Amino acid sequence: GQNIDQPTEMTATEGAIVQINCTYQTSGFNGLFWYQQHAGEAPTFLSYNVLDGLEEKGRFSSFLSRSKGYSYLLLKELQMKDSASYLCAAMDSNYQLIWGAGTKLIIKP
Amino acid sequence: DTGVSQDPRHKITKRGQNVTFRCDPISEHNRLYWYRQTLGQGPEFLTYFQNEAQLEKSRLLSDRFSAERPKGSFSTLEIQRTEQGDSAMYLCASSSGEGHTDTQYFGPGTRLTVL
Repeated sequence: GQNIDQPTEMTATEGAIVQINCTYQTSGFNGLFWYQQHAGEAPTFLSYNVLDGLEEKGRFSSFLSRSKGYSYLLLKELQMKDSASYLCAAMDSNYQLIWGAGTKLIIKP
Repeated sequence: DTGVSQDPRHKITKRGQNVTFRCDPISEHNRLYWYRQTLGQGPEFLTYFQNEAQLEKSRLLSDRFSAERPKGSFSTLEIQRTEQGDSAMYLCASSSGEGHTDTQYFGPGTRLTVL
């Protein structure tokens, strides 16, 4: 079957660094997406990885290991506005996104 | 605003009524997706269009749900004989359909409450 696992909730301190992990199992693989979703709003695209390694985009970085079926999203210099849910989604062989349930990130001052 | 738009943003209805939602994708995007999302869950795939053709529909979707994209531009999602379990956020997303990146961009969603 197809499955995405990510922690339900994480807490971090403003100014710190946090890493949100995601493991996936899909029928075929065409890339791994991370989206940010604030409460009551739609998901917004953060990053896409299809090759192994780290992609850096400002304060946010995303890592992929295809052999391990593993990705993480790294958020640096945390700000209060980063409090949101972070959704991991893997694209399968049919180019459909398989979604995780999301990780709720709580930032404390 | 050239993003994905959805209408209405909120809908409250009584059980048994029919509702219809509209989605206008980013203008040059060929692919359009409908998802449903409940609190604490990721989006659940409902159906997907490539231009005007409905290419896939979730097996979990009952026959009370139907979607159209008649001219390959905007799309409608209709739910007939609504049930309380249909209460959710209905999200529309579009993508260019070009290249394997094919990032999906979401609209603001329609929040449905069935009383």
